[in-house]
Amino acid sequence: DAKTTQPPSMDCAEGRAANLPCNHSTISGNEYVYWYRQIHSQGPQYIIHGLKNNETNEMASLIITEDRKSSTLILPHATLRDTAVYYCIVRVDLRNSGNTPLVFGKGTRLSVIA
Amino acid sequence: GAVVSQHPSRVICKSGTSVKIECRSLDFQATTMFWYRQFPKQSLMLMATSNEGSKATYEQGVEKDKFLINHASLTLSTLTVTSAHPEDSSFYICSARPPGAAGHTEAFFGQGTRLTVV
Repeated sequence: DAKTTQPPSMDCAEGRAANLPCNHSTISGNEYVYWYRQIHSQGPQYIIHGLKNNETNEMASLIITEDRKSSTLILPHATLRDTAVYYCIVRVDLRNSGNTPLVFGKGTRLSVIA
Repeated sequence: GAVVSQHPSRVICKSGTSVKIECRSLDFQATTMFWYRQFPKQSLMLMATSNEGSKATYEQGVEKDKFLINHASLTLSTLTVTSAHPEDSSFYICSARPPGAAGHTEAFFGQGTRLTVV
């Protein structure tokens, strides 16, 4: 799985958009970008994933650069409950990867401030 | 979405005793489950892969005789911390993924178990 680089921490004002960057310059053509988050003292929660097109769901948007070497997770209107550690993970489609685990980096600790 | 449930969510035990943590997939069958450990302010570290009906696969540096894993059914894996020591105090998390045929691509995680050894 390709290595990812994320800033260790970020702050965001409540109600504003939170933009979390992730660099994955060694990503392969068949690797997806997955985002998970972990609220304090809970298990990780899936947010979104994508291959090369931008994706949006009820939680967030994922913007992937054309060269796929970086991406940005966008929380359009951050709330205090979005305070968590956000993990960017690059790997082949989980449906086709057999029974292999997710490998977590250090992630970005997002603090949403009132 | 699919649900993975862990029990207990929090446990305190004395040094030298054993503690069992259960991980259940509530609405799907999981031939494989994963166990992670997380120390304060650190990321999740994979401990082992639990395989239904066969032996678990442990990551390097994880003692298989200390962390006993049993995956006796398609919906239940257990992690037993034997002869617990204070340094085993940590947040233990399990994960499982519905079969690909169901169309799911994401992994689901239990709510975690906070183990404190005193």
